[in-house]
Amino acid sequence: GPKVLQIPSHQIIDMGQMVTLNCDPVSNHLYFYWYKQILGQQMEFLVNFYNGKVMEKSKLFKDQFSVERPDGSYFTLKIQPTALEDSAVYFCASSSQLGGYEQYFGPGTRLTVL
Amino acid sequence: GDSVTQTEGPVTVSESESLIINCTYSATSIAYPNLFWYVRYPGEGLQLLLKVITAGQKGSSRGFEATYNKETTSFHLQKASVQESDSAVYYCAVNYGNEKITFGAGTKLTIKP
Repeated sequence: GPKVLQIPSHQIIDMGQMVTLNCDPVSNHLYFYWYKQILGQQMEFLVNFYNGKVMEKSKLFKDQFSVERPDGSYFTLKIQPTALEDSAVYFCASSSQLGGYEQYFGPGTRLTVL
Repeated sequence: GDSVTQTEGPVTVSESESLIINCTYSATSIAYPNLFWYVRYPGEGLQLLLKVITAGQKGSSRGFEATYNKETTSFHLQKASVQESDSAVYYCAVNYGNEKITFGAGTKLTIKP
């Protein structure tokens, strides 16, 4: 079936540094999402993105977070600066339509902030 | 607020036995959310197992079934006879009419041969 890829699979950085997580969504999808799962906790919605704009974001999407997808390339989540509490697995997802249609998920990027 | 509660894992079942993983959701935002079960097999990404968007309907896939019960706000996942390949983590999930999915905590299922 359709696949979402995420690069890298694991990233270790020092607190205060910038990190960019990359997502290669399903090719004809137009709606993109990021979710965050802290170890031992539920996966939680961060943000969704369409047509170059953030459509909805949760309280977890701090000011240090930003997303973009320049010209059909990777859909990225940037954290600048990082904090210890940003350590988690970040999942990217994409969908072809809104309104409860299936979101396809990537395998996740495990971010460790030291 | 919106929330999803499911059977706390880990759950271990012997091969060929029946399985039920419970899921209940809150219905504070809208009365009829869209309901999903997602699954993560070892070493793989999260994938949709089944979904139901109409109250009273049943969804099925790979021998699993779940019925959208709006009276009890439940969406329990059932299988009559599990196989070793069903070992995975199962997530109940709800879409409350906006563009995010609210997930349950996940239930790790192990099937004993």
